[in-house]
Amino acid sequence: AQKVTQAQTEISVVEKEDVTLDCVYETRDTTYYLFWYKQPPSGELVFLIRRNSFDEQNEISGRYSWNFQKSTSSFNFTITASQVVDSAVYFCALSDTDSGSARQLTFGSGTQLTVLP
Amino acid sequence: KAGVTQTPRYLIKTRGQQVTLSCSPISGHRSVSWYQQTPGQGLQFLFEYFSETQRNKGNFPGRFSGRQFSNSRSEMNVSTLELGDSALYLCASSFEQGARSNEQFFGPGTRLTVL
Repeated sequence: AQKVTQAQTEISVVEKEDVTLDCVYETRDTTYYLFWYKQPPSGELVFLIRRNSFDEQNEISGRYSWNFQKSTSSFNFTITASQVVDSAVYFCALSDTDSGSARQLTFGSGTQLTVLP
Repeated sequence: KAGVTQTPRYLIKTRGQQVTLSCSPISGHRSVSWYQQTPGQGLQFLFEYFSETQRNKGNFPGRFSGRQFSNSRSEMNVSTLELGDSALYLCASSFEQGARSNEQFFGPGTRLTVL
């Protein structure tokens, strides 16, 4: 069965610090997708990135970057020069064919990031 | 392009009642999924609908049901409400085909409180 672990429950940093959110996943499938979502206090999940299992290239988007390592089953997320507006709960998620649908996401428990001014 | 909309945003019910939540997907999206978010269990998949058919269902009791209409709008229903059903219910929509078919975009959620 698939599983996503976000061991960091809460992280606090001071503005402009870099911060890395960890995500470890388990799946028996060779084809799967990994996602990161941001949930601000308003509650809506905001899509940040999707990565498929065949693409281990790291990605950078502005201050955000993602490091995908199949060898360690990890998909970590780094925010560079954090800002107060980055404060939110961040979720890592997995979808695979074993779950019955490519649209069934298995979420980690989330990491509450607080960026202090 | 308008995002996923959910109504109502907040709802208060009492035990034993039933409730219906509504979700309108992004225009052109034909797949709608529902998730329940609680502090104890986190985000859990409820079900997915496509073309008015339930395509996948999570591990929830039969009190939770849903449907999808021909315009892709979806409703979920919870009957005989229990205190533990208090949660944020999130709806997500996605394209059915193509390279981005499993990118799900979420609505703001409906916060249900059961007293």
